[in-house]
Amino acid sequence: ETGVTQTPRHLVMGMTNKKSLKCEQHLGHNAMYWYKQSAKKPLELMFVYSLEERVENNSVPSRFSPECPNSSHLFLHLHTLQPEDSALYLCASSHGVFYNEQFFGPGTRLTVL
Amino acid sequence: AQKVTQAQTEISVVEKEDVTLDCVYETRDTTYYLFWYKQPPSGELVFLIRRNSFDEQNEISGRYSWNFQKSTSSFNFTITASQVVDSAVYFCALSEAQDSNYQLIWGAGTKLIIKP
Repeated sequence: ETGVTQTPRHLVMGMTNKKSLKCEQHLGHNAMYWYKQSAKKPLELMFVYSLEERVENNSVPSRFSPECPNSSHLFLHLHTLQPEDSALYLCASSHGVFYNEQFFGPGTRLTVL
Repeated sequence: AQKVTQAQTEISVVEKEDVTLDCVYETRDTTYYLFWYKQPPSGELVFLIRRNSFDEQNEISGRYSWNFQKSTSSFNFTITASQVVDSAVYFCALSEAQDSNYQLIWGAGTKLIIKP
């Protein structure tokens, strides 16, 4: 595998379900990100991890819970989601944060029923 | 305030035409970085270019070129002799070097449709 991979690519879940999104980067980067992309809205940064420590949380609801066990893996744990949480969730990684280019995974298309 | 404006929501051209995607930004910092990303229908954002605020030299990469003008706070992207594979949503983004918020400020994107 190369670049940034995300699983699953598609996920349908009920509001009472618990699921997790997985991201893995094979680029030797030390920063990882979760973004939410909804139709007709700009990209929204959710979480940033640098050297496995969370450095940014943009007031994301607690029903989204990130986990970064090491610099190559990033998870987004989901529970009791709402229909408005349906979106494309993108993972990215970079060398350092903010001003270096980010490399993105293909995203997980999430539908909450 | 930081802001990135991509005024063109959607552009449609016929293959082989040249097309320019506009990006206008606002920043109070003298040191900042500008980016362009491409998002094809598959969904994965692809990094195209990064430009720092001290380098106003225009960049050319194959059929792609970028025109950075600090005087007008613009960082426009031109595709020459467009191809159907260029169809995608293109995003411009800004990052200030002193910003501790660890994020890019993204434009809303321009959807580019290249017709055969």
